[in-house]
Amino acid sequence: EAGVAQSPRYKIIEKRQSVAFWCNPISGHATLYWYQQILGQGPKLLIQFQNNGVVDDSQLPKDRFSAERLKGVDSTLKIQPAKLEDSAVYLCASSSQRGQGIGTIYFGEGSWLTVV
Amino acid sequence: KNQVEQSPQSLIILEGKNCTLQCNYTVSPFSNLRWYKQDTGRGPVSLTIMTFSENTKSNGRYTATLDADTKQSSLHITASQLSDSASYICVVSGFDNFGNEKLTFGTGTRLTIIP
Repeated sequence: EAGVAQSPRYKIIEKRQSVAFWCNPISGHATLYWYQQILGQGPKLLIQFQNNGVVDDSQLPKDRFSAERLKGVDSTLKIQPAKLEDSAVYLCASSSQRGQGIGTIYFGEGSWLTVV
Repeated sequence: KNQVEQSPQSLIILEGKNCTLQCNYTVSPFSNLRWYKQDTGRGPVSLTIMTFSENTKSNGRYTATLDADTKQSSLHITASQLSDSASYICVVSGFDNFGNEKLTFGTGTRLTIIP
């Protein structure tokens, strides 16, 4: 079974520039998550999709971050304009469970962003 | 506020030795508790998932315990290997007001195995 695919793996941009990350979840997984992980900290949920609908985006800085999951499969996360504090690893994860459940959540390898 | 606290923050042990990592949580209502292993530069990989009714679960040399009454969990690693060097993250799942599963992550324990 193919895992969660993310690209690019590494990105360096200047502050105020924009960047986009792409995620392809495991086939058939209805739930998709984007997490932000700052060095030395645990992942923080940015947004959770159930198919192509948003379940939770309460911690997404909507003035600069946006995410979409068209057709309930792939997803993109965009940051515009980037700030220095956005330097982090952006993890995409997917799960086959809908709503309540104890399905395993599978993480991608992450997209490492450095804002200079 | 839902919180997950892990201890120690970092740990260094000799190859072949055992170790135990701790996780305390205040997540309610509780659904399940997960332990993840995260190698440097990689995404987290699931080790175990335990529900309220399970008090122990093993995955090879990894054994997780759960005491839902005291809201504590531990991850025991037996006969450590160099490849066990990683961060171990405790994740507790609860539900929001709409019945959606919500995960609360700990900050992890950084484990280093030395030869």
